[in-house]
Amino acid sequence: ELKVEQNPLFLSMQEGKNYTIYCNYSTTSDRLYWYRQDPGKSLESLFVLLSNGAVKQEGRLMASLDTKARLSTLHITAAVHDLSATYFCAVGMSNRDDKIIFGKGTRLHILP
Amino acid sequence: EAEVAQSPRYKITEKSQAVAFWCDPISGHATLYWYRQILGQGPELLVQFQDESVVDDSQLPKDRFSAERLKGVDSTLKIQPAELGDSAMYLCASSLTGHSYEQYFGPGTRLTVT
Repeated sequence: ELKVEQNPLFLSMQEGKNYTIYCNYSTTSDRLYWYRQDPGKSLESLFVLLSNGAVKQEGRLMASLDTKARLSTLHITAAVHDLSATYFCAVGMSNRDDKIIFGKGTRLHILP
Repeated sequence: EAEVAQSPRYKITEKSQAVAFWCDPISGHATLYWYRQILGQGPELLVQFQDESVVDDSQLPKDRFSAERLKGVDSTLKIQPAELGDSAMYLCASSLTGHSYEQYFGPGTRLTVT
């Protein structure tokens, strides 16, 4: 059974600092997705990672995937208040291309 | 830009009443998903359709929940009777078949059962 763990679950940080959110998963997969959710809102797709070593960047966010370590990271560079949100990783099941399992989310609070 | 539509956005209902949610996926997306998200947790899949067929309803509480996608386009999720524990955000998502299988989410329906 695929299990997805994110850490930390809650992160409070100062503007201008760098930090990394980790997403570990328990079984083989080469598909990983990062989503952002603002309070009371739906999920917004940030990154789709489809192969080992994939790296994608958008603004101050960069995501990477290491399928051998079963690990993805979401790195935040020089954080700004607007990045405050909950970030979810979701991992594709190896025997079901169309199904993903979500982590519990990392609630990020950036202090001005 | 094409979006997934959901209605209503908010619903308050009393315990034991029936409630229904509607979802219209992005045009051309054959796969449609209904998720339930309890506050502070990640979304959990309730049911998945491929066109008009159910391909996964293993986590759907079938004694009170039902879902349909009769013409393979829009979909309805129903709860009857609603229980206090059903209070949650109900999210609909859709995806194209093949390649990345990236899921696009609608705005959700916030259900409160009193």
